[in-house]
Amino acid sequence: GENVEQHPSTLSVQEGDSAVIKCTYSDSASNYFPWYKQELGKRPQLIIDIRSNVGEKKDQRIAVTLNKTAKHFSLHITETQPEDSAVYFCAAFSSNDYKLSFGAGTTVTVRA
Amino acid sequence: NAGVTQTPKFRVLKTGQSMTLLCAQDMNHEYMYWYRQDPGMGLRLIHYSVGEGTTAKGEVPDGYNVSRLKKQNFLLGLESAAPSQTSVYFCATIHTGELFFGEGSRLTVL
Repeated sequence: GENVEQHPSTLSVQEGDSAVIKCTYSDSASNYFPWYKQELGKRPQLIIDIRSNVGEKKDQRIAVTLNKTAKHFSLHITETQPEDSAVYFCAAFSSNDYKLSFGAGTTVTVRA
Repeated sequence: NAGVTQTPKFRVLKTGQSMTLLCAQDMNHEYMYWYRQDPGMGLRLIHYSVGEGTTAKGEVPDGYNVSRLKKQNFLLGLESAAPSQTSVYFCATIHTGELFFGEGSRLTVL
C-alpha cells in the first residue's frame, strides 16, 4: 500500500519568512495530492491540492509542487503570518485502491 | 462542512464495552472513510468504503468493524474497546474530488 513520509515534523519560522514542507510517496498509482491545515481541536481543512498531470499550483501565498518521477511533493508558504501556525498534513490518493494516505504532519509555528 | 455528520461527538467507555460511531453524509457520494488521529501519528485509515454494501481495510483495521448498508451511512464499530483505541475519530467523504471531514468524535477508553 501507499506510504507517505512528511518532513520536518516541526517547523518554526519568523513572521514574513517562507515555510517549506516536503513529502514523499511510494505508490506510483497515486494521482491526487491534497494538503490540509488543522488548527487545535478542529477538523483538517483542505488548503490546496495538485493532480498528477500538473507540476505546480499556486493560490496566493501558498504553492505546491509535484515531481512524479521522484515521487515527492512540497508545500510552500510565503510571507508567513501568525495565523499560519497550525499542523499541516500532506496526503496521497491512489487510483488503484481509492485510499487517501496521510503523512504524520508538520507543526508550524510562526514567531511574531 | 460538505454535509458530513458524526455522532456521538464525545464518548467515554470502559474496557470491554462496545459502541458504534455513525457517519452520515447527505451528498450521495460513493466513497467514505474512517480515520483515527493520535498525537504525532497523523491520520491513519481504519476502514473505508467505495460504495453501498462494500467495505475494505485500511492501515489499522484490527479491533474495528464497519458496515455500509445504506449509501449515506458508514458505521464504525468497536466490539470490545481497549485503552489503545482512545483517539479522535474522523469520518470523511469525497466531494467534487476533495476529501471533507466530519467534526470528529473523541473516544476515551478507561
